[in-house]
Amino acid sequence: EPEVTQTPSHQVTQMGQEVILRCVPISNHLYFYWYRQILGQKVEFLVSFYNNEISEKSEIFDDQFSVERPDGSNFTLKIRSTKLEDSAMYFCASSYESPGANVLTFGAGSRLTVL
Amino acid sequence: TQLLEQSPQFLSIQEGENLTVYCNSSSVFSSLQWYRQEPGEGPVLLVTVVTGGEVKKLKRLTFQFGDARKDSSLHITAAQPGDTGLYLCAGVSAGGYNKLIFGAGTRLAVHP
Repeated sequence: EPEVTQTPSHQVTQMGQEVILRCVPISNHLYFYWYRQILGQKVEFLVSFYNNEISEKSEIFDDQFSVERPDGSNFTLKIRSTKLEDSAMYFCASSYESPGANVLTFGAGSRLTVL
Repeated sequence: TQLLEQSPQFLSIQEGENLTVYCNSSSVFSSLQWYRQEPGEGPVLLVTVVTGGEVKKLKRLTFQFGDARKDSSLHITAAQPGDTGLYLCAGVSAGGYNKLIFGAGTRLAVHP
């Protein structure tokens, strides 16, 4: 069964460092997403990406965050200067159509720990 | 801000019992999805309900979408230890189409 692959599974970084989280969505999917889940809290929407541009982003997704689909297969989330409160599980997801109409497939997540 | 409230937060029951998990909001959603999440993994979709009043069954799980598309429930019949996990509801807002709004989840433990 096709799956969304995320790397790394766990990253520990110092506050202020840049972090890049990588995702390989399902190959024929057109919509790509990043969500995050702070320990013990809800899964929160960060950003959606379609047709090589951001289609929607949340208040959390400020200037420190950026997304890119550099080569047609990878989908990356960059945090420019990490803060302690960025510590969370980051989930990448993809879908063939917009989420209301179709299945969103989530990756296993990348755990980010900022010290 | 759209919110989805799930109840109960925690549920601990014996094998064979029935249970219902609720997902409520004051907002209308164009569709609502139920996920199950295991520790250290991403959410896995169980079902999507789209039409007000819709009922879907997945073996021993029954999902219902409220007539007004503001609430949903998940009913499990004769729960088994394998049903243990975190159940999340997530809605697609009626005004948008690109993001899911998640509830906080119901953590279910089914004891043999």
